[in-house]
Amino acid sequence: AQTVTQSQPEMSVQEAETVTLSCTYDTSESDYYLFWYKQPPSRQMILVIRQEAYKQQNATENRFSVNFQKAAKSFSLKISDSQLGDAAMYFCAYRSAPSYDKVIFGPGTSLSVIP
Amino acid sequence: DTGVSQNPRHKITKRGQNVTFRCDPISEHNRLYWYRQTLGQGPEFLTYFQNEAQLEKSRLLSDRFSAERPKGSFSTLEIQRTEQGDSAMYLCASSKSPRGKNTEAFFGQGTRLTVV
Repeated sequence: AQTVTQSQPEMSVQEAETVTLSCTYDTSESDYYLFWYKQPPSRQMILVIRQEAYKQQNATENRFSVNFQKAAKSFSLKISDSQLGDAAMYFCAYRSAPSYDKVIFGPGTSLSVIP
Repeated sequence: DTGVSQNPRHKITKRGQNVTFRCDPISEHNRLYWYRQTLGQGPEFLTYFQNEAQLEKSRLLSDRFSAERPKGSFSTLEIQRTEQGDSAMYLCASSKSPRGKNTEAFFGQGTRLTVV
């Protein structure tokens, strides 16, 4: 069974600085998708960035980028120029490509942004 | 279309009572998912539908839980004889049946259940 692990329950970053959130996963599949979702307090979960496992190039979305290391099964999220609005729970997630069924989430990292 | 809609947003119930939640997915999405999220944890998968067919149920979904999606549109999640351990946020998500790059699941704001 696939599992997703986030080893940092809490992180903090100074406003305008850069922070990296870690994620590792376990799967026997070769084709899958990885995601980072953001969940602000009392608000709904939104997708931050996605990575397709068959693509070697790391995904980038504005201030958000990932470091995808397929052999190591590692998928970290880098947030550059951190803003107060980035404060939220961040969840790393996995979805099988062949079956496209459920999204499996990690336990989350709570990110605080210090003004 | 304003996204995935869940009702009610909050529900307080006494232990032993039955509760039902509703999820209206994005209209063109034929997959619908239910998750449970407890405070400080990631969402845990409960079940999902493709159209009206329930394709998978988690072992977390005890006999007291039942989900339906009649006509492949909205879905309901019912919990019978609620227990304090059922207190959680219940999240609904929807997505297209993935072909190509349509891999994203869109989430609703959730229904927060408190069992007293």
